[in-house]
Order: sequence, then structure tokens, then C-alpha cells
Amino acid sequence: DSGVTQTPKHLITATGQRVTLRCSPRSGDLSVYWYQQSLDQGLQFLIHYYNGEERAKGNILERFSAQQFPDLHSELNLSSLELGDSALYFCASSVVEGGPEAFFGQGTRLTVV
Amino acid sequence: GEDVEQSLFLSVREGDSSVINCTYTDSSSTYLYWYKQEPGAGLQLLTYIFSNMDMKQDQRLTVLLNKKDKHLSLRIADTQTGDSAIYFCAEGFPGDTGRRALTFGSGTRLQVQP
Repeated sequence: DSGVTQTPKHLITATGQRVTLRCSPRSGDLSVYWYQQSLDQGLQFLIHYYNGEERAKGNILERFSAQQFPDLHSELNLSSLELGDSALYFCASSVVEGGPEAFFGQGTRLTVV
Repeated sequence: GEDVEQSLFLSVREGDSSVINCTYTDSSSTYLYWYKQEPGAGLQLLTYIFSNMDMKQDQRLTVLLNKKDKHLSLRIADTQTGDSAIYFCAEGFPGDTGRRALTFGSGTRLQVQP
């Protein structure tokens, strides 16, 4: 158990809908990262938050957004869902900014039908 | 941009050593990582190496880094069937706010034959 908690584990929704994925980082970790894992694109970095502030953006679509709350949990919002958004979405957290270790949650498997 | 490449598949017999290879392009890489993903599971951090090191050993795992050739390898001694999984190589520095956190390779599927 990495200590990073993601909910829900599985999500099935229809095209055009909006979903929210939740991540609770390890206790004391200020950084949260979101990744998308799909068969054709592999593991793609989406976005990084540190202590509530956005720090870096990767290949995140405009239909997707994220935030990190004062209690350090983070949410990834996916809207106007398309079939191609079906993937595993991982959250990772790391120790205080500058730490080399990033620990991943179990992921949320999103299926868009 | 950064790129990390791995071979897709490796098959070994139980008890043999496995060597999984990775190459990367970013010469400024600070840390290099190996993660393990079992079916239906998340990514488990196995080990990492700082870029000024050549080797790191952790029980059955040995990481070798050739910085000149930008080549990283993971050796698993006495491979067991429980080691069957996908192994991801990654480079980056999670604390670096000026760039993406980690760049991953496509993963090497390790199959251990009993």
C-alpha cells in the first residue's frame, strides 16, 4: 500500500458526461501529480499541484481540469467525455517539494461508453 | 523533448536473472526510476538512482546507469514467478516545478516461466 488513495476505483459513464476523480496523497506530501495511462499513449503526465498551486502542465486537454484543496486532496475533473478518454488515471504524491520519490495510487479506471 | 525507450517484452525462466534495459535522451535527468505494475494494480516504486551514481543494489535488484550512453538497466536476481509484471523506466525530478514530474517509458512486460 503506497498510502495514496484514489476513488472511485472504477467508473463507467456515457459520452458527453462529466466525472470527478479524487486523490488523497500520503500524509505530509504536498505534491500531487495526475497521469493518464492508455494502451496507445502509455503513461502521460497531465498536471502537477504543490500545496494548492498548479506547478506544471503536461498533455492535459482543455476539457480536463484539476485542483488541490487546502487539505491537500486533489480532484481531476473530466468533462464532455469521449470514448478516447477511457483510460486508467493515476495520482501520485511526493514528499516535500524536491523529494525524489513519487508514490502512486491504485488508479481509477474510467470507461466511457 | 524528453524520451524514454524500453523493449516491450522479456521472458526468463524462474531462478534466472532478468535484465531490463532502458535508454533516455534528456542529459539533464536528475533521477532515474524503476516502477513495477502488476495486472490491475497501480505503479509500485521499486528503486531509483541519482544521476551521479553508477550502480545501486537493493536486495535482488541491481540498477546500473551508464550516463555517457544514457542507458539504465534493472537486473533482478533469482527471478520468481511473482516478478511477472510490467516494468517501467522513468526519468525526472518530482520536485522540479519547471517541467513535468516524470517521463515514463512504454514498459517492459516480464514473463517468468516456471
